[in-house]
Amino acid sequence: AQTVTQSQPEMSVQEAETVTLSCTYDTSESDYYLFWYKQPPSRQMILVIRQEAYKQQNATENRFSVNFQKAAKSFSLKISDSQLGDAAMYFCAYRRRETSGSRLTFGEGTQLTVNP
Amino acid sequence: ETGVTQSPTHLIKTRGQQVTLRCSSQSGHNTVSWYQQALGQGPQFIFQYYREEENGRGNFPPRFSGLQFPNYSSELNVNALELDDSALYLCASRMDRTRGAFFGQGTRLTVV
Repeated sequence: AQTVTQSQPEMSVQEAETVTLSCTYDTSESDYYLFWYKQPPSRQMILVIRQEAYKQQNATENRFSVNFQKAAKSFSLKISDSQLGDAAMYFCAYRRRETSGSRLTFGEGTQLTVNP
Repeated sequence: ETGVTQSPTHLIKTRGQQVTLRCSSQSGHNTVSWYQQALGQGPQFIFQYYREEENGRGNFPPRFSGLQFPNYSSELNVNALELDDSALYLCASRMDRTRGAFFGQGTRLTVV
């Protein structure tokens, strides 16, 4: 079974600074997807960034980028120029690449606080 | 705005009762999944429907059941509610397997 571990229950960052959230996962599959989701107090999960395991290039979405280390099974999220609106719970998630649909396996989350 | 809408947003039920939660997805989103998120935890997969058939199930008992309809709406039904069923229930849908899922805002269920 796949597992996702987020070892940082809480993180804080000063506005305009950079913060990195850690995630490790365990799987025997070679082809899969990794995601970072953001869950603000409104509760709605918002997709931040997606990485396909067969792509060596790290995904980037504006101020958000990942460091994907497949051999180490590590998938960290870097937020640059942090903004107050980035404050939320961040979840790392894994999904197998199958011909039919497959489930997301989530980590326990990291609560990010952005200080003005 | 993800285009996925859940109703109701909050619900209080009594232990032993039955509840139906609803989700409306975007047109073309033929895969819908349901997750249970206990307070302070990550979401746990309940089950998934693809083109109106269940094609994956997590570690939840049979009293958790669902339906998916041709109009891209879906339901989660829970029978014989227990106190531990109190949680945020999230619906997620997507069009194809290469993309991330879009989530609704969730239904907060409280069982008393």
